[in-house]
Order: sequence, then C-alpha cells, then structure tokens
Amino acid sequence: AQSVTQLDSQVPVFEEAPVELRCNYSSSVSVYLFWYVQYPNQGLQLLLKYLSGSTLVKGINGFEAEFNKSQTSFHLRKPSVHISDTAEYFCAVSVNDYKLSFGAGTTVTVRA
Amino acid sequence: SQTIHQWPATLVQPVGSPLSLECTVEGTSNPNLYWYRQAAGRGLQLLFYSVGIGQISSEVPQNLSASRPQDRQFILSSKKLLLSDSGFYLCAWSASGGLEQYFGPGTRLTVT
Repeated sequence: AQSVTQLDSQVPVFEEAPVELRCNYSSSVSVYLFWYVQYPNQGLQLLLKYLSGSTLVKGINGFEAEFNKSQTSFHLRKPSVHISDTAEYFCAVSVNDYKLSFGAGTTVTVRA
Repeated sequence: SQTIHQWPATLVQPVGSPLSLECTVEGTSNPNLYWYRQAAGRGLQLLFYSVGIGQISSEVPQNLSASRPQDRQFILSSKKLLLSDSGFYLCAWSASGGLEQYFGPGTRLTVT
C-alpha cells in the first residue's frame, strides 16, 4: 500500500517570501501525485498533478512542484507568497485504483 | 462544467440520532464518487467509494453506511450517531477512469 508523509505540519512565512512544502511518498509501484489546497471551512481544490511526462509541474496560483522518483518526493513551491495563500495544503498519491491517499496536511500562514 | 453539491453545510445532532448527508454531481455521467471524513487537525480518511449505481466499497468499518440510488447522487447515513462521528465530511467525484478527484464544499457535523 502507498503512503504519504508531509514533513512540516506548520509553515509560517512572510508575504512575498518563497515557500516550499515537502512531501514524500512510499509505494512499490508507479504513482500519480497531487497537491490540494483547503481554505478554512471549504472543500479541497486541486492545485496541480503529476501523471506522467515532465517532472516539473505547474499549477494554479503560481505554484509548481517537482517529481523526484529517486528521492520519492513531490515538493510544492511558490517563489513569492501572498496573504491569500494562507491555507492548508495536502499532498496525495494514487496508484490507479480509484483511491487517493492523503498526507496529514501542512498549514501555511502568511504574515505581512 | 461540472459542479458538486453537498448539504446540509452544517449540522448539529445528538448522540444516538440518525444521519443523512447528501451529495450530488452535475455536468458529468457515471462518475466515481467518494466520501471522506476530516477530523480536526488530521488528514482525510476515505470512508466509502462507488464506481456505479448500487456499488459501494467501504474502507473503514464503522457505524456509517453509504448508498448510491442514482448515477450522480451519493448519500452517507447512520442509524445512531456517536460522539466520534463529529468531523468535516467531504464528498468528491472523479471521471470514470480518471485519477484526479474534485471535492464538494463539505458538511460540518457536530455530535453532542
């Protein structure tokens, strides 16, 4: 079975600074990877996905992530954050069995 | 475009009372449907998923059940709620054969 570890539970960051959210996975087979964002009391919104092809994936709101198969990682980055990026971020993995396995989440707090 | 609805948005129920949460999807046919629970400060736990009408797979043994009476309708039920059933319940859908899931706005359930 696959699993996901988000290495940071909370990440405080100043506005306009860069941010990186770390995600590692374990799986014995090929995986598909996702990042979702959740604003307070809302559902999850898909930020980006890696299914195949280029290992550098660009998503919405200026986020990007890089799939590193040798390190089994899929870290999320944004070069300059805004106050509106304050939210919880979830990394998820699928092995094409209809199901997603989610990490515990990383809370990003952007301060002015 | 596709949209997913959940209701009610919030619910406060006493221990031992029944539960019915509803999820509907518009703009697609034969979707895969999912119920997740998100406890405070924790990630998402997959409860049930369905690949077709009347087809339900349970991921976690519990006092909850799910039904899919129509192609784009997914219902989460309980005969008798427990305090531990409190949480944020999210419905999601994916295209048949698709990998990424799209989430509804969620239902906040508080069992008192």
